[in-house]
Amino acid sequence: EPEVTQTPSHQVTQMGQEVILRCVPISNHLYFYWYRQILGQKVEFLVSFYNNEISEKSEIFDDQFSVERPDGSNFTLKIRSTKLEDSAMYFCASSEWSDQETQYFGPGTRLLVL
Amino acid sequence: LAKTTQPISMDSYEGQEVNITCSHNNIATNDYITWYQQFPSQGPRFIIQGYKTKVTNEVASLFIPADRKSSTLSLPRVSLSDTAVYYCLVGDNSGYALNFGKGTSLLVTP
Repeated sequence: EPEVTQTPSHQVTQMGQEVILRCVPISNHLYFYWYRQILGQKVEFLVSFYNNEISEKSEIFDDQFSVERPDGSNFTLKIRSTKLEDSAMYFCASSEWSDQETQYFGPGTRLLVL
Repeated sequence: LAKTTQPISMDSYEGQEVNITCSHNNIATNDYITWYQQFPSQGPRFIIQGYKTKVTNEVASLFIPADRKSSTLSLPRVSLSDTAVYYCLVGDNSGYALNFGKGTSLLVTP
């Protein structure tokens, strides 16, 4: 069964540093998403991406965040200047259609900002 | 968005049927009910979606009464590996974002 993959699985960084989280969505999917989950809290939507542009974003997704599809397979989330409160699990997801039924999630990247 | 209410946690023994109920009193006509499952340190996984009556797949059944103000996810004969958080989501499938609540943490013990 096709899977969404994410790298790295864990990332430790210093406050103020830039991080790039990488995702390889399922190959025939057209819609891509990033979510985050702070430890012990609920999964929160960050952004959705379709046709090389952002289709929807939440209030969390401010100017320090950006997304990119640099080639035909990768989908990245960049955090420009990390803060302590950015420590969380970041999940990438993809779907063939823009519905809520079948978003396939990756295993996540655990980001720790010190 | 329709607000959903689920129990924070449930316990079950292996082999039992588990029913998790979700309340969504202000569900809209165009809204669907979707359940996701999340194992520890993993991303959520779609389980089942329904609009009304009953839906069944290889993993679970979803029961939705006629007024659609609640729904029940039924897991038959749970095993230890069904220990997870189960999320009830209500939406009209027109947006992109999945809006997760706190979910129900199910613990299955021997």
